[in-house]
Amino acid sequence: AQKITQTQPGMFVQEKEAVTLDCTYDTSDPSYGLFWYKQPSSGEMIFLIYQGSYDQQNATEGRYSLNFQKARKSANLVISASQLGDSAMYFCAMREGRGNEKLTFGTGTRLTIIP
Amino acid sequence: DAGVIQSPRHEVTEMGQEVTLRCKPISGHNSLFWYRQTMMRGLELLIYFNNNVPIDDSGMPEDRFSAKMPNASFSTLKIQPSEPRDSAVYFCASNLGVDQPQHFGDGTRLSIL
Repeated sequence: AQKITQTQPGMFVQEKEAVTLDCTYDTSDPSYGLFWYKQPSSGEMIFLIYQGSYDQQNATEGRYSLNFQKARKSANLVISASQLGDSAMYFCAMREGRGNEKLTFGTGTRLTIIP
Repeated sequence: DAGVIQSPRHEVTEMGQEVTLRCKPISGHNSLFWYRQTMMRGLELLIYFNNNVPIDDSGMPEDRFSAKMPNASFSTLKIQPSEPRDSAVYFCASNLGVDQPQHFGDGTRLSIL
């Protein structure tokens, strides 16, 4: 089974609208962490937001928030008030196991913001 | 603060040649990671070090690949001999520890002809 599943290969969203990028994960370990990264066309990987499995509240970082539903094993990224500069590939990643730093990445979602 | 520094940014070489990729992590970071990104396989971890010690090298494709971290401020990923299927973008990343975000370098775009 895939550890990280991102079911949306591509999305088109109107500027200023909110967008939700889906991510589901598969692990039986109670200790894990979920990360979201952005990769613009220039190629660099930019860290956006992190959620730990024991965190009680959903993570937020500026316009980014993580909709963490533990029972459903989903960790969707929500971007509010989208901007043209948000157009990029977005990757969900997971580390699992206490002390383990290895990240497994999903296949990504290409987001395009339409003016 | 300087980010993760990788060199070279681009490398084009003929198959059979030795390729050495270099990485300088962010000062003070304890862990260093090498990733490979291709269209077919996506982004995959090759190896990571903690305090200069290799912890997980299960992603290293085969014996042609080797990685070293002789000190806290330098790491190399070597491919010998190189093959066309090694063509990819290779990223180096570093972080302060578990559950801390990994900060990526700009990557090395490697083309093996």
